[in-house]
Amino acid sequence: EVHLVESGGGLEKPGGSLRVSCAASGFTFENAWMIWFRQAPGKGLEWVGRIRSKVEGGTTDYAAPVRGRFTISREDSKSTLYLQMNSLKIEDTAVYFCSTGSPMGTFGDYWGPGTLVTVSS
Amino acid sequence: DIQMTQSPSSLSASVGDRVTITCRASQDIANYLSWYQQKPGKAPKVLIYDSSTLEGGVPSRFSGSGSGTEFTLTITSLRPEDVATYHCQQYDDLPFTFGPGTKVDIK
Repeated sequence: EVHLVESGGGLEKPGGSLRVSCAASGFTFENAWMIWFRQAPGKGLEWVGRIRSKVEGGTTDYAAPVRGRFTISREDSKSTLYLQMNSLKIEDTAVYFCSTGSPMGTFGDYWGPGTLVTVSS
Repeated sequence: DIQMTQSPSSLSASVGDRVTITCRASQDIANYLSWYQQKPGKAPKVLIYDSSTLEGGVPSRFSGSGSGTEFTLTITSLRPEDVATYHCQQYDDLPFTFGPGTKVDIK
């Protein structure tokens, strides 16, 4: 059974940095494209970015609001996905979800429960 | 970016009613559309992908249709456990984008 669990969320000041993780199990992580989504409190869903499997280059795509500030990476030996968030803004406050399962990381087939990141002074 | 809209933004229906939600894309996305169900405090769950393919384990009262710019999600007979917010998402072009959601509750 596919299992995804995010961790590392918390309170950070504007301009600060935070790294959230996603521990994966129940599938062959190294072959999977992985996705990050987010949802601001009371708002809709937003695609943050995705990372390809290493065999397909391990490259990343990002949404415009986070490009240049956020970095998605993976550690296949630990079946763990990361989202490094720098230069945080108040508008980055959201629940962050990791997801996988669809071809080429297009839609979210399996999701973790999410981790809340709050950016506030 | 491709803009996604949904209508209505919310609806209230009786148990057993047929419910239809519409999602429109600002440009042709072929059939690259998914529908999610999200209950309060929970992660979304995919119901349908590729516009009309039912995800495994999803009840057959859910169905999806459409292509190009107009899509629908239909619940043929609403049940109390269907109370949730429903989101559409296009994955034809980056960045993948969502509609604003449709909140469904029981009258």
